[in-house]
Amino acid sequence: QLQLQESGPGLVKPSETLSLTCTVSGGSISSRSYYWGWIRQPPGKGLEWIGSIYYDGSAYYSPSLKIRVTISVDTSKNQFSLKLSSVTAADTAVYHCARRSGDGWYYFDYWGQGTLVTVSS
Amino acid sequence: EIVMTQSPATLSVSPGERATLSCRASQSVSSNLAWYQQKPGQAPRLLIYGASTRATGIPARFSGSGSGTEFTLIISSLQSEDFAVYYCQQYNNWPGLTFGGGTKVEIK
Repeated sequence: QLQLQESGPGLVKPSETLSLTCTVSGGSISSRSYYWGWIRQPPGKGLEWIGSIYYDGSAYYSPSLKIRVTISVDTSKNQFSLKLSSVTAADTAVYHCARRSGDGWYYFDYWGQGTLVTVSS
Repeated sequence: EIVMTQSPATLSVSPGERATLSCRASQSVSSNLAWYQQKPGQAPRLLIYGASTRATGIPARFSGSGSGTEFTLIISSLQSEDFAVYYCQQYNNWPGLTFGGGTKVEIK
């Protein structure tokens, strides 16, 4: 059974860079069938797609976050990571990692539980 | 950006009754729409993709319909485990994936 687990600091100061890692188990991140993504959810609010990456490092980002986001992949560790720069309180959210479906369409069939990141001094 | 609007924001339903949730897109997304269920403290769970195809393991009481800009998720007979928040997501516009604001299905 595929599992995704987010990890990283739960508290980040304003203007700093948020860094999270998603560890994939029960499957290979190097599979050519899947993209891997990050989605966030501010407290009490809806879901926002941040970006997605392929095993070869090809990454795609939400236009609204593109200038601040970098997603990378480490196939040797079966992990992918998120960096979000210049954070503000508006970036406080639960951050989920997820797998895009294997049929080539961009919905998400497996999700991590999510990790809460609070931006505060 | 394609804006997804879900209605109602909250739906109060008695167990055993039918729930009808709506999702509207600001422009056509063809049938490239998914529905997710999320319970407190849990990850979203894929219910429906392609507007009407149930994901693996999803009970038949969940059904999706629609195309273009208007979509519906019906839960035919609500069970206790179905009380949750439901989100729609369009994936017709890549890389501009967007989600609706959610509909909370609560016990009446």
